[in-house]
Amino acid sequence: SQTIHQWPATLVQPVGSPLSLECTVEGTSNPNLYWYRQAAGRGLQLLFYSVGIGQISSEVPQNLSASRPQDRQFILSSKKLLLSDSGFYLCAWSVGRLYYEQYFGPGTRLTVT
Amino acid sequence: DAKTTQPNSMESNEEEPVHLPCNHSTISGTDYIHWYRQLPSQGPEYVIHGLTSNVNNRMASLAIAEDRKSSTLILHRATLRDAAVYYCILLGSQGNLIFGKGTKLSVKP
Repeated sequence: SQTIHQWPATLVQPVGSPLSLECTVEGTSNPNLYWYRQAAGRGLQLLFYSVGIGQISSEVPQNLSASRPQDRQFILSSKKLLLSDSGFYLCAWSVGRLYYEQYFGPGTRLTVT
Repeated sequence: DAKTTQPNSMESNEEEPVHLPCNHSTISGTDYIHWYRQLPSQGPEYVIHGLTSNVNNRMASLAIAEDRKSSTLILHRATLRDAAVYYCILLGSQGNLIFGKGTKLSVKP
């Protein structure tokens, strides 16, 4: 069966520090991968998606970036965090048609202080 | 993307069926209706999706109106673990999943 891992589960970082969140998927090949953010009291916002290794599409311009160095690994990064980057970061995967039947990871709760 | 309208909240008793409505009067012919749910402090969980015909899976049933302007997610026997925010989302040939405010379902023992 397929599983998705995210780490860390929680993170507290100062403004201006770098960020690296990792997501890995097991049990499937060539998945579509997604990064979402959910700010407090708000809906999910799609940040990036990827349909293959090295292929990244950005939905929202910001100081975040994503990379997919391996088929089942998706990394979210920032060189300098802003207070507004605080939120609940979720990775998701799907197969087949883009955006359909997505399965989400446990998430990383990021607080920028 | 076409919009959906859901009640802000609903209550149900444990072990009773729950019907969660969703209106989508501006749905286009190629829009699929997707349902997800989100428990507190967790990521969303895929529930079901459909286009025109009613759909059933191990989690729920999706009843789609003949004119497709509304749909209903049916939980056949609610449990305490079903307490969550339920999102009804339209997904067409372009665009991505846009999560609105959803319906907060409370289940009473």
